Amino acid sequence: EVQLLESGGGLVQPGGSLRLSCAASGFTFSSYAMTWVRQAPGKGLEWVSAVSGSSGTSTYYTDSVKGRFTISRGISEDTLYLQMNSLRVEDTAIYYCAKGPPNYYGSGSSGWTRFDPWGQGTLVTVSS
Amino acid sequence: QSVLTQPPSVSAAPGQKVTISCSGSSSNIGSNYVSWYQQLPGTAPKLLIYDNNERPSGIPDRFSGSKSGTSATLGITGLQTGDEADYYCGTWDSRLSVVMFGGGTKLTVL
Repeated sequence: EVQLLESGGGLVQPGGSLRLSCAASGFTFSSYAMTWVRQAPGKGLEWVSAVSGSSGTSTYYTDSVKGRFTISRGISEDTLYLQMNSLRVEDTAIYYCAKGPPNYYGSGSSGWTRFDPWGQGTLVTVSS
Repeated sequence: QSVLTQPPSVSAAPGQKVTISCSGSSSNIGSNYVSWYQQLPGTAPKLLIYDNNERPSGIPDRFSGSKSGTSATLGITGLQTGDEADYYCGTWDSRLSVVMFGGGTKLTVL
C-alpha cells in the first residue's frame, strides 16, 4: 500500500523557516515525480512545487514561493522535503505532499497533475 | 483568483446526474491533460480522473471526464449523499511551467 506521511509543520513567526518532510513507502520512490500542494483555511487548493523522479534534477515552483522555498528528494531515503524560508502570513496553510506521475511522463509535461495518493497534510501557521 | 474557472457550486437530487465544468486557455487545458480531484470535508484530496478521462483503480464508473478545446467536464451519475464534496480540476500550463488548479466546486446532493 502506498503511504505518504508529512511532518514538520507548526507555528513560526513571519520571516522564519520550516522544513517539511514527506516519508514515502509502498512504491519505488525514484520512479515518480512528487509534489507539494497547500490549502489555506477555508480556501481552495494551491499548487506549490514539484520535482521530477530519479535524481530530481527538474524542479518547478509557483511564483509566490520562488526564491523562498526549495523542494528536494532524499538521497538515500524515500523522503520528499520542502525547505521554507522567509515565511509570510499568507503561507499559512495545510501542506499536502502527493505522488506524481511515473517518470515516463517526462518532466514538466502534460499529465503532471496525476497526483495520487495524497498524504494527510501538515499544518503550517505563520503568525507573530 | 484561479486561472482555471469552475462554478462555485452545483446541486442535484440523489440518483440524478451532474456535470462540473472547468474552463482554461490554449496553454493549459488546450494542450495538456486534465485531472479531477474530490475532497470530502476534513480530508485530503483524492484523484478521481487523470489524463482527461482515465479513472484510477477503485474509482467507480459513475465518475467520468471529458475535454473539448480549452474546457473540461467532470460528470457524476447516480448521485449519492456521500458524493457531497469539493471538486477541483487541475492541469499543467506549458507557457508558465506550473500546475494550475481550478477554484473548486462545491457539490450539494439535495
